[in-house]
Amino acid sequence: EIVLTQSPGTLSLSPGERATLSCRASQSLYIKYLTWYQQKPGQAPRLLIYDTSSRATGVPDRFSASGSGTDFTLTISRLEPEDFAVYYCQQYGDSFTFGPGTKVDIK
Amino acid sequence: QVQLVQSGAEVKEPGASVKVSCQASGFNFNSYSMHWVRQAPGQGLEWMGVINPSPHTTYAQKFQGRLTMTRDTSTSTAYMELSSLTSEDTAVYYCARESYEWTPGYWGQGTLVTVSS
Repeated sequence: EIVLTQSPGTLSLSPGERATLSCRASQSLYIKYLTWYQQKPGQAPRLLIYDTSSRATGVPDRFSASGSGTDFTLTISRLEPEDFAVYYCQQYGDSFTFGPGTKVDIK
Repeated sequence: QVQLVQSGAEVKEPGASVKVSCQASGFNFNSYSMHWVRQAPGQGLEWMGVINPSPHTTYAQKFQGRLTMTRDTSTSTAYMELSSLTSEDTAVYYCARESYEWTPGYWGQGTLVTVSS
């Protein structure tokens, strides 16, 4: 089973700063889809990015993502107050697994 | 608009089973796969399985043998039943509709299942 590792565990930044979140897979051979979600306390996850780099409907263009093989990145170009949340990557290919999440909190 | 409304919170004793429902509206239920994902208190997301329109199910290996997903097209409702509950099954359980292939895009509000004696 592919294991996803996210780093850092917590990212402390100020509004307006750039956030770079990493998601690394234990193996690349079987990943078909890489997805990113945002989750705020007490809420269901929200789809941000699908198929590695495509923004879901309604997602602001300050969110972008890229990657291939075993290394994937989510970038938030300028943090808005509503962006402080936990971000999860998720893969489908070899089963279906989530990473442990990166918390983006206010510095 | 797409809506997924889940059944209410449950408290179960160890060894019991729980069945959570997910009522869909705003789209053609017969055309979409439905995933179930759970989240233990303070923890991350854990995929449980998916049921497609056929209906064919795919379960995470961890839940094989005690997880059953079904769907009722007459009421546009998906169900998730988990048996042999232990305290480690205490979690919020989410249903989610695919937006893209193998990508849950629309999520229910979650159902808290507490397993306690």
